[in-house]
Amino acid sequence: DVKVTQSSRYLVKRTGEKVFLECVQDMDHENMFWYRQDPGLGLRLIYFSYDVKMKEKGDIPEGYSVSREKKERFSLILESASTNQTSMYLCASRAGPNNQPQHFGDGTRLSIL
Amino acid sequence: GEDVEQSLFLSVREGDSSVINCTYTDSSSTYLYWYKQEPGAGLQLLTYIFSNMDMKQDQRLTVLLNKKDKHLSLRIADTQTGDSAIYFCAERVDSSYKLIFGSGTRLLVRP
Repeated sequence: DVKVTQSSRYLVKRTGEKVFLECVQDMDHENMFWYRQDPGLGLRLIYFSYDVKMKEKGDIPEGYSVSREKKERFSLILESASTNQTSMYLCASRAGPNNQPQHFGDGTRLSIL
Repeated sequence: GEDVEQSLFLSVREGDSSVINCTYTDSSSTYLYWYKQEPGAGLQLLTYIFSNMDMKQDQRLTVLLNKKDKHLSLRIADTQTGDSAIYFCAERVDSSYKLIFGSGTRLLVRP
């Protein structure tokens, strides 16, 4: 079974802090994704990475950056956290071939005070 | 543009069948997915269908795809209380890495 692990289930940070959300997958997947989930808005793609050191902006990249130094790990960085970044953050990974689905972690519920 | 729509809420009685519907706008969708999200958890892949298929069955789950109407449905037979969750429909367009998600349908199963 695919295992996507997000380092924290719940996180509380203060406005202006630099925040790191970590995601690790154990299936040697090429592609990794970060989404945020907000009530009534579904899932929105923040960034994705199709290989090590490769990244592309998703639909809502503003205020975020990412890092993929190793294949198994994809980090989401909030450079200077703001209250409107309070949300549920979901990481996903996918094997390279086009017919493969995305597999999700359990999510990190982040609150910015 | 790309858009995926679902109804917000469905309530059924335990033992009945549930049908969750989804419509999408992009005719170049290649794969369509159903995910389940239980409270406080991530998304669990339930099933997916390639766009050249009309139907896929997997135990209690049946997926129907009407490509002409751009309509996808998920039928859960013999719905149980453990099926109560939010169900997301998602489409992948062409060879894109991206999935376009609907806003989710909350299924409530009454005893």
